Amino acid sequence: QVQLVESGGGLVEPGGSLRLSCVASGFSISDSYMSWIRQAPGRGLEWISYISGSSSDTNYADPVKGRFTISRDNAKKSVYLQMNSLRADDTAVYYCARGTRAAAPWGQGTLVTVSS
Amino acid sequence: DVVMTQSPLSLPVTLGQPASISCRSTQGLVYSDGNTYLNWFQQRPGQSPRRLIYKVSNRDSGVPDRFSGSGSGTDFTLKISRVEAEDVGVYYCMQGTHWPWTFGQGTKVEIK
Repeated sequence: QVQLVESGGGLVEPGGSLRLSCVASGFSISDSYMSWIRQAPGRGLEWISYISGSSSDTNYADPVKGRFTISRDNAKKSVYLQMNSLRADDTAVYYCARGTRAAAPWGQGTLVTVSS
Repeated sequence: DVVMTQSPLSLPVTLGQPASISCRSTQGLVYSDGNTYLNWFQQRPGQSPRRLIYKVSNRDSGVPDRFSGSGSGTDFTLKISRVEAEDVGVYYCMQGTHWPWTFGQGTKVEIK
C-alpha cells in the first residue's frame, strides 16, 4: 500500500539547519507531486511547499520562502526539505504527503523543535 | 491568502446522531481547470490527518458512506449521517485552488 515515512526531525537551536527526508513506497513517486505540510501547536495546519515529479515546479509559502528548499531523488523514492535559518515559530510536526491540491496520504510526521 | 472559516469549532454529538460542519472561504474555489479543490481531512487523536473527501464531494476509498461532502462557490459542508465512536477527532477543510493552500481552524468532534 501507499506509505510515506518522514525522518530527520529533532531539536535545533535558532539559526540552525535541519534536513527532513520522506521515503515513499507503494506508488511511482516520479509521477507524483509531493508536498510538505506542518502542524504547530496553536497554529493549526500550514502547507509550506510542493514539488512536481520532475522537480520543474516548486512553490513555497511566504513564511519559509528563502529559508527552506524542497527537493527530490526519484531513484531513492525520496523527497527532502532543507530548512535553514530556523526560528522558534518553525517548531512543528512536519508531514510529507503525496500530491498537492488534494494531497493524500500523509506520513506520520517528524517533530522539529527550535529552541535554545 | 484565502481564509477558511469553520463552524462550529467544537461539536459534541450523541452516538448515532447526525453531525454537520460548515466551511466558508473568502474567495471562490473553482480553479481554471473547472475543478473545485475543497477537501476534508480527519485527524484522530495521536494520528496524522487522513483525507476523507476531495473536490467537494468525492469520498476516499475506505471512507464510510456516512460521510458526505457538499457545497459550491464559497460555502461547503461535511456531514456525518450517524456518528460512531471512531469518528472522534478534529476535522479540517482545506482549499487547494489558490496558493498557498489553506486550512480551516478545525472542528473538534466529541461524543456527549
